[in-house]
Amino acid sequence: KNEVEQSPQNLTAQEGEFITINCSYSVGISALHWLQQHPGGGIVSLFMLSSGKKKHGRLIATINIQEKHSSLHITASHPRDSAVYICAVDTSGSRLTFGEGTQLTVNP
Amino acid sequence: DAGVTQSPTHLIKTRGQQVTLRCSPKSGHDTVSWYQQALGQGPQFIFQYYEEEERQRGNFPDRFSGHQFPNYSSELNVNALLLGDSALYLCASSRDRGGPDTQYFGPGTRLTVL
Repeated sequence: KNEVEQSPQNLTAQEGEFITINCSYSVGISALHWLQQHPGGGIVSLFMLSSGKKKHGRLIATINIQEKHSSLHITASHPRDSAVYICAVDTSGSRLTFGEGTQLTVNP
Repeated sequence: DAGVTQSPTHLIKTRGQQVTLRCSPKSGHDTVSWYQQALGQGPQFIFQYYEEEERQRGNFPDRFSGHQFPNYSSELNVNALLLGDSALYLCASSRDRGGPDTQYFGPGTRLTVL
């Protein structure tokens, strides 16, 4: 069993829909990161969470430390949101363990 | 302010050869981590450099080695290349502040081993 599990693996939505991507982890962490990867490989950091909830534009990330679970929400999704979204946990001194990623496709 | 840069962008090698990949961290960052991402998978941690020393290492063989220079830039060396080493190699930089920090990723080097 992977230390970081994401669901779903693939997600197709219509423009404007509310999207949720889930992440569960089984190890102790100092922080959880949500990342976005576009075709070609570049990775952009979206959020770093240690507790609670963060919001940036249409993106919202939450974490429940007791349940070892985090969610990434996208409100009013847009085709430009299409990308791979990756959950990663910081287990020790900026060493990240990644989930497999969720491929999101938003159709117009 | 330049972000994290990596070179080269793409590289093609044959089995048994050696390769060196380079990474320049974001200005003000002193910690460099290297990751290997096989096609369709999440990145895997290779190792991390801080103060010119390897501070942490993932489950990779000794064929993978690295270096960090006084200006915080870093190299990843892979010897005796195998077909399975074909992957996207990502470098990430951060600041050592005694706790978790946002990591900034470079564009990656795509290595193909034939």
